[in-house]
Amino acid sequence: QLQLQESGPGLVKPSETLSLTCTVSGGSISSNTYYWGWLRQPPGKGLEWIGNINYRGSSYYNPSLKSRVNISVETSKDQFSLKLSSVTAADTAVYFCARRVLATAGLSIWFDPWGQGSLVTVSS
Amino acid sequence: SSELTQDPAVSVALGQTVRITCQGDSLRNYYASWYQQKPGQAPVLVIYGKNNRPSGIPDRFSASSSGNTASLTITGAQAEDEADYYCNSRDNGVHVAFGGGTKLTVL
Repeated sequence: QLQLQESGPGLVKPSETLSLTCTVSGGSISSNTYYWGWLRQPPGKGLEWIGNINYRGSSYYNPSLKSRVNISVETSKDQFSLKLSSVTAADTAVYFCARRVLATAGLSIWFDPWGQGSLVTVSS
Repeated sequence: SSELTQDPAVSVALGQTVRITCQGDSLRNYYASWYQQKPGQAPVLVIYGKNNRPSGIPDRFSASSSGNTASLTITGAQAEDEADYYCNSRDNGVHVAFGGGTKLTVL
């Protein structure tokens, strides 16, 4: 059974870079079928898509975050990582990683499974 | 990018049927997927594609779509269905949009 697990610091100072890693187990990240995504959820608010990457390093980002986001992949470790620069309090959120599936001839996209989430607080 | 709009809150009596909707231009071209999220937990996929349920999701969950509106229907709502529900779809490119979420209360 495929599982994803986020890891990284729970506290980041304003203006610094948030870094998280997602480890995939029970399967390989090196699949032509899937992309791997980062999403976040500020406390008490809804879900926001951050970006996706595939095992070859092809990535797409939310236009609203694109200037500050970098997602990378390390296939030898079945891991992918998120870096978000110049963080502010507005970046405080639970960050999730998930497998992205695109199917039905490209008409349908979904995320499954998800990691349990990692709370990152931006504060001095 | 696309925006998806959901009603903030919906309620249903135990055992009755409830429909949760998601509106957006991208839904004219793409299917919505639906997630259930309970407090303190990660979202769980309940519907994907045209109307498909992952293994383990009860058949009281179903989906439909018309024009720019996608709907998640729970037929015979149970107490354990009380949760936040989110829709998402591909937008008109390579990006992804999520709705703001609907809080479902089972009375």
